[in-house]
Amino acid sequence: NAGVTQTPKFQVLKTGQSMTLQCAQDMNHEYMSWYRQDPGMGLRLIHYSVGAGITDQGEVPNGYNVSRSTTEDFPLRLLSAAPSQTSVYFCASRKQGGMNTEAFFGQGTRLTVV
Amino acid sequence: GQQVMQIPQYQHVQEGEDFTTYCNSSTTLSNIQWYKQRPGGHPVFLIQLVKSGEVKKQKRLTFQFGEAKKNSSLHITATQTTDVGTYFCAPGGSQGNLIFGKGTKLSVKP
Repeated sequence: NAGVTQTPKFQVLKTGQSMTLQCAQDMNHEYMSWYRQDPGMGLRLIHYSVGAGITDQGEVPNGYNVSRSTTEDFPLRLLSAAPSQTSVYFCASRKQGGMNTEAFFGQGTRLTVV
Repeated sequence: GQQVMQIPQYQHVQEGEDFTTYCNSSTTLSNIQWYKQRPGGHPVFLIQLVKSGEVKKQKRLTFQFGEAKKNSSLHITATQTTDVGTYFCAPGGSQGNLIFGKGTKLSVKP
């Protein structure tokens, strides 16, 4: 069972470039989320989705776009990269439930914008 | 998602000492989860607490949910170097937006 797969693991971008961080899960989870992690800031929610075709903004959505065309995939797009987007990005998925369910995280993508 | 304050932000202990991290909310929580992230790794689920006053144990780790369901704690007895990492709490909610506390980074000196 692969769980949550993120690609790439590392990426260096120049300011103004665009790119897509990929996230795929094979657990048939309804909920998927993107977080960024910066020193001293913990995990901050960027965007999340409660199902295919449904997305919503988290705490720090500016500069990022998402879409959820299938249950399995939840890509994160940086339209015009800025140095402030240098961070480690984590994708997570979890099953929909009455109470919160356990979140499963990908291995992370370390992004540097120069 | 609900917001929580996690303290302390950093904790340095000698191996064998105990460690406690606290998660505090100004509002009543429906439940709370705890995660551990090893250095260079990704967060991994540890436990979920649901009931008022609930106490759960995992070997040397003891998790507690306050009577008023506004705070939670994670206590590690006799820390080991394998306990190194950052511990996060995440308050519950019925929406898809799981929000994490800022975490407590634990370092253990052998």
